[in-house]
Amino acid sequence: AQKITQTQPGMFVQEKEAVTLDCTYDTSDPSYGLFWYKQPSSGEMIFLIYQGSYDQQNATEGRYSLNFQKARKSANLVISASQLGDSAMYFCAMRKEDAGNMLTFGGGTRLMVKP
Amino acid sequence: GAGVSQSPSNKVTEKGKDVELRCDPISGHTALYWYRQSLGQGLEFLIYFQGNSAPDKSGLPSDRFSAERTGGSVSTLTIQRTQQEDSAVYLCASSSYPLQADTQYFGPGTRLTVL
Repeated sequence: AQKITQTQPGMFVQEKEAVTLDCTYDTSDPSYGLFWYKQPSSGEMIFLIYQGSYDQQNATEGRYSLNFQKARKSANLVISASQLGDSAMYFCAMRKEDAGNMLTFGGGTRLMVKP
Repeated sequence: GAGVSQSPSNKVTEKGKDVELRCDPISGHTALYWYRQSLGQGLEFLIYFQGNSAPDKSGLPSDRFSAERTGGSVSTLTIQRTQQEDSAVYLCASSSYPLQADTQYFGPGTRLTVL
């Protein structure tokens, strides 16, 4: 069975600073994908970044980067130059690479950006 | 292009009534997923469609829950004889799975409240 753990229920960060949101996972599958989604107060899940288990380089998307450490089974999200609009819930998710590809989610981290 | 849409955005019903939730996926996406987000359980997978068939219904919590998809497009999630524990946000996602880069894109959700 797959499991995603986000150990930080809530975090504060000063505007314009960088912040790291932790995610660890557990799986016995050799092939899997890792995702981060942002959920603002409006409720919609917004895709941020993806990392495949066989990818050699860490994924980056604008201000978002994924610190992928396969041996440690961690996939931390780094947000650089935080903005007030980054205040939201952030979910780490894992996709099992077989029929269906459904996602297993962590419990989420609430990020609050201080002006 | 248009994203995933869901209706209604909010639904308040009385215990014991049936409800139907609708999801309209991104055009061309063959895979469609229903998830449930509740305070106590986090984000849970419910059911997955590939085209009009549902290869994986493993997440449906009881036989009161059913879903169908017609024309490879719109899907309806039906909850019969609703209970208070069914209160949650029901999220729909679609993707181009089994094609590569099959990121799941989510709709805004339907917030269901069972009184």
